[in-house]
Amino acid sequence: DAGITQSPRHKVTETGTPVTLRCHQTENHRYMYWYRQDPGHGLRLIHYSYGVKDTDKGEVSDGYSVSRSKTEDFLLTLESATSSQTSVYFCATRSAGGFSEQYFGPGTRLTVT
Amino acid sequence: AQRVTQPEKLLSVFKGAPVELKCNYSYSGSPELFWYVQYSRQRLQLLLRHISRESIKGFTADLNKGETSFHLKKPFAQEEDSAMYYCALSGRAGTALIFGKGTTLSVSS
Repeated sequence: DAGITQSPRHKVTETGTPVTLRCHQTENHRYMYWYRQDPGHGLRLIHYSYGVKDTDKGEVSDGYSVSRSKTEDFLLTLESATSSQTSVYFCATRSAGGFSEQYFGPGTRLTVT
Repeated sequence: AQRVTQPEKLLSVFKGAPVELKCNYSYSGSPELFWYVQYSRQRLQLLLRHISRESIKGFTADLNKGETSFHLKKPFAQEEDSAMYYCALSGRAGTALIFGKGTTLSVSS
């Protein structure tokens, strides 16, 4: 499992509240990604990081921000949660060498009421 | 535009029947293609990738550049193959994988 953990694993929050999800890896992988998984949409990229303090937007970045102050941690923040952000969020990492595979975390199930 | 298309949302087969999960891609260069599997409520895990040309759990996939396809096949389905299968491509090293919408494979006895 490439030593990727996510916290919390489950969260229920109210509309309008900020939420932060954490991804932690022990593999020293350079690249880290946040995806959301929704029925009928598959996995869609939210944000990604190509190094400490280097991040960029993905396909569905509106309403989300990220930070990466250390190689091992990549935080995803929902600035003001909405019901449309109810989803399962997956973190993934990838090493720098060639076409390496992506390793996934266990996922965080977020419900916004 | 980079795109991965999995035309079937659901594929239902009987145990012992052959399985083919379709994947077509759109990419202007030479991508790396992957198949990931997700068992119920678990994390995604790599099933196979075209560059390694391995057969994992009896599954194989051949990259057809002419048809821009990377279909996943297994000659005899097992009940434990029931899962969600995602096809994905990577255009450049380090870039995020682009995923299809997934196909749910249901194998019944």
